[in-house]
Amino acid sequence: TQLLEQSPQFLSIQEGENLTVYCNSSSVFSSLQWYRQEPGEGPVLLVTVVTGGEVKKLKRLTFQFGDARKDSSLHITAAQPGDTGLYLCAGFTSGTYKYIFGTGTRLKVLA
Amino acid sequence: GAVVSQHPSRVICKSGTSVKIECRSLDFQATTMFWYRQFPKKSLMLMATSNEGSKATYEQGVEKDKFLINHASLTLSTLTVTSAHPEDSSFYICSTYPVGTSGGIVTDTQYFGPGTRLTVL
Repeated sequence: TQLLEQSPQFLSIQEGENLTVYCNSSSVFSSLQWYRQEPGEGPVLLVTVVTGGEVKKLKRLTFQFGDARKDSSLHITAAQPGDTGLYLCAGFTSGTYKYIFGTGTRLKVLA
Repeated sequence: GAVVSQHPSRVICKSGTSVKIECRSLDFQATTMFWYRQFPKKSLMLMATSNEGSKATYEQGVEKDKFLINHASLTLSTLTVTSAHPEDSSFYICSTYPVGTSGGIVTDTQYFGPGTRLTVL
């Protein structure tokens, strides 16, 4: 069974602080997505990373895919209250055409 | 961008009744749709993969007789929760990805519906 473990599970920080969320697996994925989800809504795609070692930036968010395509990280610089939400990573395996979701990281940014 | 809709967005029903949830891809064909279940403050758990014109593939531990999936067209998949009980109360989300004219996937990116909140009394 493929598992994607995210750490930390919960994070409460002050506005302006930096943070990193990790997504780890023993399985190799052909691509990995990061999502943010607000309560009562579906997940919203933030980024897709495909190549091992790839780094993508989206304003204050930096995403990295591990060289072996088994892990990924999300770094947020100068967090803002609007960043509050549930962050989910999801790995895609082309063999099964399935997306496996990580365990989730709940972030709260205090003003 | 690609849009996926779900209906209803919210449903409250009595224990023992059946509830049907629809998932539609609005501007592309979707031969494969995924159904997820999400408990409060938890991640998404894949329940089943819905394939157009064939039987759905269920994940281990998901009762296929309890959660009936039908994918009768290239734009519509339905999930029916049969004889619902309070423990079936959850947030149900579908997702899909566009396929090309030859049936192959165009992108790894999946598009999510807005979810359906089911409450069974």
